[in-house]
Amino acid sequence: DTAVSQTPKYLVTQMGNDKSIKCEQNLGHDTMYWYKQDSKKFLKIMFSYNNKELIINETVPNRFSPKSPDKAHLNLHINSLELGDSAVYFCASFARGYTFGSGTRLTVV
Amino acid sequence: AQSVTQPDIHITVSEGASLELRCNYSYGATPYLFWYVQSPGQGLQLLLKYFSGDTLVQGIKGFEAEFKRSQSSFNLRKPSVHWSDAAEYFCAVGSYSGNTPLVFGKGTRLSVIA
Repeated sequence: DTAVSQTPKYLVTQMGNDKSIKCEQNLGHDTMYWYKQDSKKFLKIMFSYNNKELIINETVPNRFSPKSPDKAHLNLHINSLELGDSAVYFCASFARGYTFGSGTRLTVV
Repeated sequence: AQSVTQPDIHITVSEGASLELRCNYSYGATPYLFWYVQSPGQGLQLLLKYFSGDTLVQGIKGFEAEFKRSQSSFNLRKPSVHWSDAAEYFCAVGSYSGNTPLVFGKGTRLSVIA
């Protein structure tokens, strides 16, 4: 039973499209995050949510919109995809430790 | 603002040799420190973590790390490297309460030669 699960694992799409990545955690954690890992492997925080409320938005373009329908889910919707959005996106949750999902590799062509 | 510095971008060691990966952090409160490993195309695997107690922390796969507050360091070590240890290693700092997200270093790529 995966603690933090992301879907899809791979996503290939054309520029200009809109896509969503889903994240679910079954750990009962209050805090969830989205991270972006770029082509140089650098991991950077994008968003932080606590109990469905946005806590941190780290200068991410408005095309990225996180949505937390309940405490267990934090989805990432991306509008008008650009080539530079190609990256691996990790979801994570926190309670006395940070638990990461396995990542979603997004390729924009 | 918190930050993590991993001064070595790439390290190459011989199989069976010892390994030390360096990590320095900057954090305004008591740091919660982590080391993760990422194999190519894979996710992040937690090797070990430290918040308090014994400053020498044992992790999985034979890794250990030592916290040195005076040097703001949390270096990762392994006495004998195996070829399967070749991967990217990330040091990270966060808070025990989770009210700040993990901040990662830029990673150190480890290559292992025969």
